Amino acid sequence: AQTVTQSQPEMSVQEAETATLSCTYDTSESDYYLFWYKQPPSRQMILVIRQEAYKQQNATENRFSVNFQKAAKSFSLKISDSQLGDAAMYFCAYRTVDFGNEKLTFGTGTRLTIIP
Amino acid sequence: ETGVTQTPRHLVMGMTNKKSLKCEQHLGHNAMYWYKQSAKKPLELMFVYSLEERVENNSVPSRFSPECPNSSHLFLHLHTLQPEDSALYLCASSQDMWQETQYFGPGTRLLVL
Repeated sequence: AQTVTQSQPEMSVQEAETATLSCTYDTSESDYYLFWYKQPPSRQMILVIRQEAYKQQNATENRFSVNFQKAAKSFSLKISDSQLGDAAMYFCAYRTVDFGNEKLTFGTGTRLTIIP
Repeated sequence: ETGVTQTPRHLVMGMTNKKSLKCEQHLGHNAMYWYKQSAKKPLELMFVYSLEERVENNSVPSRFSPECPNSSHLFLHLHTLQPEDSALYLCASSQDMWQETQYFGPGTRLLVL
């Protein structure tokens, strides 16, 4: 079974600085999807960024980018120019592409605080 | 706004009460999900519906009873809950079952007394 580990329960970063959230996962599969979700105080889970494992290029979405290290099974999220609105819980998630056995597996989350 | 709404946003109930959570998606998706989010634990999948048919039930206690009357609506009926059932219940939808992008609602914060 796949597992997702977020080793930082909490972290803080100064406004306008760069925040890096770590995520590691365990799988024996070669193809899969990885996601970062943001959960602000409103509690709505919002998809931030996704990465297909077969793509070597790291995904980027505006100020959000990932550092995908497939061999190391690492998938960190980088938030550049942090803003107060970035404060939230961030969840890393894994999804297999194995037909009939697909499901999202989530980590326990990292609470990001932005210091003004 | 992700197109997935949930009501109520907060619910307090006693162990003998019966209540229902409602989820509605306005995205034309075919699959809907119920998740339970407890403090410091990974998100737990409870139920999956695809085209209004239940596809997966992850060994959820019978005091939780889902209902999917059509592809836009999903209910979670609650009966004789325990205090440990207090959590955030999230609904999600996707175009088809297990499409890589699931869209989540804001959740219902449930407190069982």
